[in-house]
Amino acid sequence: EDKVVQSPLSLVVHEGDTVTLNCSYEVTNFRSLLWYKQEKKAPTFLFMLTSSGIEKKSGRLSSILDKKELFSILNITATQTGDSAVYLCAVTFSGAGSYQLTFGKGTKLSVIP
Amino acid sequence: ETGVTQTPRHLVMGMTNKKSLKCEQHLGHNAMYWYKQSAKKPLELMFVYNFKEQTENNSVPSRFSPECPNSSHLFLHLHTLQPEDSALYLCASSQEPPSLSPYNEQFFGPGTRLTVL
Repeated sequence: EDKVVQSPLSLVVHEGDTVTLNCSYEVTNFRSLLWYKQEKKAPTFLFMLTSSGIEKKSGRLSSILDKKELFSILNITATQTGDSAVYLCAVTFSGAGSYQLTFGKGTKLSVIP
Repeated sequence: ETGVTQTPRHLVMGMTNKKSLKCEQHLGHNAMYWYKQSAKKPLELMFVYNFKEQTENNSVPSRFSPECPNSSHLFLHLHTLQPEDSALYLCASSQEPPSLSPYNEQFFGPGTRLTVL
């Protein structure tokens, strides 16, 4: 069963639109949730969230975590074609006495001019 | 060279071949990771190394054999692979290993696109 579920799986928007990407998870002993952007090959780090309700912001991107409802959102405002990428969500948690990390399948965002 | 580098970038091999993937990090990190990314599947963590010691092996078949001779280099030795092993193999590193701090940002290399015929 998938522990990390991202939605939507793909999304097409026009430049200037605002998008919200979702990541829900179901794990015990949650440690952190991470967002990555993957354009060609190497994912690049965006945010790490550990506490509920505290927004992380970087330019037009922002993210927030809800540990009660077990989800996070990634917002991108005034989208640009350079935002086109796959956005990955990952959750770290403790399990069976060891560290676990699970990624979602990603949301493919396409921004058209 | 900066960041995390991987060689080769592309590899085609037969099922009876033996090959190795190489990863090198120039960030002074203590932990290194191997991931597998298949089409339409989530990124899968394969191995974690902490100060050259393997700390995690997420049920990876023995035809994948990692080696970490020092904290800057990581290899993935491949032998008798199957076509379903074709994927993008990503290496990553972080400042501290997960056993010490699970909150680490990981820096990824560009990956090796592996095709098994």
